[in-house]
Amino acid sequence: EIVLTQSPGTLSLSPGERATLSCRASQSTSSSYLAWYQQKPGQAPRLLIYGASNRATGIPDRFSGSGSGTHFTLTISRLEPEDFAVYYCQQYDSSSYTFGQGTKLEIK
Amino acid sequence: QVQLQESGPGLVKPSQTLSLTCTVSGGSISSGGYYWNWFRQHPGKGLEWIGYIYYTGITYYNPSLKSPVIISLDASKNQFSLKVTSVTAADTAVYYCATTISPHYFDYWGQGTLVTVSS
Repeated sequence: EIVLTQSPGTLSLSPGERATLSCRASQSTSSSYLAWYQQKPGQAPRLLIYGASNRATGIPDRFSGSGSGTHFTLTISRLEPEDFAVYYCQQYDSSSYTFGQGTKLEIK
Repeated sequence: QVQLQESGPGLVKPSQTLSLTCTVSGGSISSGGYYWNWFRQHPGKGLEWIGYIYYTGITYYNPSLKSPVIISLDASKNQFSLKVTSVTAADTAVYYCATTISPHYFDYWGQGTLVTVSS
């Protein structure tokens, strides 16, 4: 099973700043199989990025994804107040799916 | 646009069976290509994939799950279901259903339902 490790656990930033979230896989995974989600309290996860770098429908272009192999990054170019939430990376391997433990993005 | 809604009891006694249903609207559960999934999220924790049923009825479950689970599909009601047998307190979680036409990510989610296992 591929284990995803996200860092940092908590990121404290101010609106307008740039956020960089990391997701590392325990072994190489295809970029096609890496996705990012945003989750706000009491809500279901929302797909942001699929295939490591493709924005899902309706996702603002301040969200971008990159990476390959074992290291993937989610970047939010200029934080808006509604972006403060928990972010998860997810991968698919051999008909199974795993998630990272999440990065909490909080207002500084 | 596909919409999903979970339903089921919010409280289940230990050793009993947890049963949840996901009702699909805005699309047919038996239309081609969709994967119908269940997830759970323990309180304050991350997401855990439970398994899926493909529109053909083929199922696949998380091999790391300790709890015995069954996912089934009822095309006549446009629903799919989750059963977790012999539950313990460790099965207390918010349960989500979700679907995708891609086998690699999940783009439509239900709102989630909290199930507590307690006597």
